Amino acid sequence: GESVGLHLPTLSVQEGDNSIINCAYSNSASDYFIWYKQESGKGPQFIIDIRSNMDKRQGQRVTVLLNKTVKHLSLQIAATQPGDSAVYFCAEPNAGGTSYGKLTFGQGTILTVHP
Amino acid sequence: ETGVTQTPRHLVMGMTNKKSLKCEQHLGHNAMYWYKQSAKKPLELMFVYNFKEQTENNSVPSRFSPECPNSSHLFLHLHTLQPEDSALYLCASSQEAVSYNEQFFGPGTRLTVL
Repeated sequence: GESVGLHLPTLSVQEGDNSIINCAYSNSASDYFIWYKQESGKGPQFIIDIRSNMDKRQGQRVTVLLNKTVKHLSLQIAATQPGDSAVYFCAEPNAGGTSYGKLTFGQGTILTVHP
Repeated sequence: ETGVTQTPRHLVMGMTNKKSLKCEQHLGHNAMYWYKQSAKKPLELMFVYNFKEQTENNSVPSRFSPECPNSSHLFLHLHTLQPEDSALYLCASSQEAVSYNEQFFGPGTRLTVL
């Protein structure tokens, strides 16, 4: 029979290009967001986080932008490398209003970097 | 060993079997988590333990039974599973189970239920 699964958004870029991965959220009260990277055969790995009192936060080659007006955040990767190929998730730990570290993940975006 | 380890990495079981997944963290953390990652749904939280006490059960069927004997170890006991339970089961840990503590994930156990 036909299998039904998640159809993840995909982004394919050339090595050296910049990549932008997007995420939308629904809870206007959300005040903290995290980006995770998951490589094949591994668990998710923390990349960068941002609190709602900020619009932008920069790390090493990565920048997260937060637009609270339209409830959207993005992850920008500069000079993308083949090692950046992975599934990228946005997550929020306050969904549901608990303080117990309950992470709610987005569906993820597959990034493929071609040499 | 460093970080979060999980055993076994792969498991195939029948619907009548009983098996257990093991997670161990070497980070000195006090909170541990079980997540399920399947092909059909986004990564979803199953259970949270904070200082060995269960603080979250995300409406998980009783055929999944967690156990946290100490802050470093977490088990997921499995019995009479269904084929739709086939998924990657991920364990994570954090300093405490609060929102701003980074969660560190293990590599997961790939479970197949026949």
